[in-house]
Amino acid sequence: NAGVMQNPRHLVRRRGQEARLRCSPMKGHSHVYWYRQLPEEGLKFMVYLQKENIIDESGMPKERFSAEFPKEGPSILRIQQVVRGDSAAYFCASSPYITGGPVDTQYFGPGTRLTVL
Amino acid sequence: QKEVEQNSGPLSVPEGAIASLNCTYSDRGSQSFFWYRQYSGKSPELIMSIYSNGDKEDGRFTAQLNKASQYVSLLIRDSQPSDSATYLCATTGNQFYFGTGTSLTVIP
Repeated sequence: NAGVMQNPRHLVRRRGQEARLRCSPMKGHSHVYWYRQLPEEGLKFMVYLQKENIIDESGMPKERFSAEFPKEGPSILRIQQVVRGDSAAYFCASSPYITGGPVDTQYFGPGTRLTVL
Repeated sequence: QKEVEQNSGPLSVPEGAIASLNCTYSDRGSQSFFWYRQYSGKSPELIMSIYSNGDKEDGRFTAQLNKASQYVSLLIRDSQPSDSATYLCATTGNQFYFGTGTSLTVIP
């Protein structure tokens, strides 16, 4: 049973380019979460998605950032017109669906290290 | 007020000692509590989950939960240098909240 997969593991972009980060949840998991972590800082929640539905995007910057989790394929975090301040590690996590239950354990992928030149 | 508060450390303990990591949370509706370990440059790794008041033991790790005091802790017995990492506390209510983590160094 493969874990959470993220690709690419390292991504280098020049200012103004677009960055696309992909996340495939664990088998059987229907919830995906994206986090950003700056060097020497904690995890910052960005967005919580189920398939074809954004549940909570309260942590997403209002501009340039978007996320989707289509019916088929991985979840994608898209950053348009990247700036140097976007350089960070972006982690994806997934959890199973629990009917009527609380949000449950999240399992993390290896992360994508984004460097903006 | 942050949803989850942790002492950032660094916390240093000698090898073989007990390391005690603490966490407080503000949402009384929180139902599930988790401890993650994160090595430098790596992703968070789940250590333990705890859902009810009291202690839960797993090997050298013991999680303690006190919902009345809104407090959760992690004890690491017989600390090893390989335990040196940042430990993240997390709780769930309507969403998942992480603390900023406590850096632990185990000195050989």
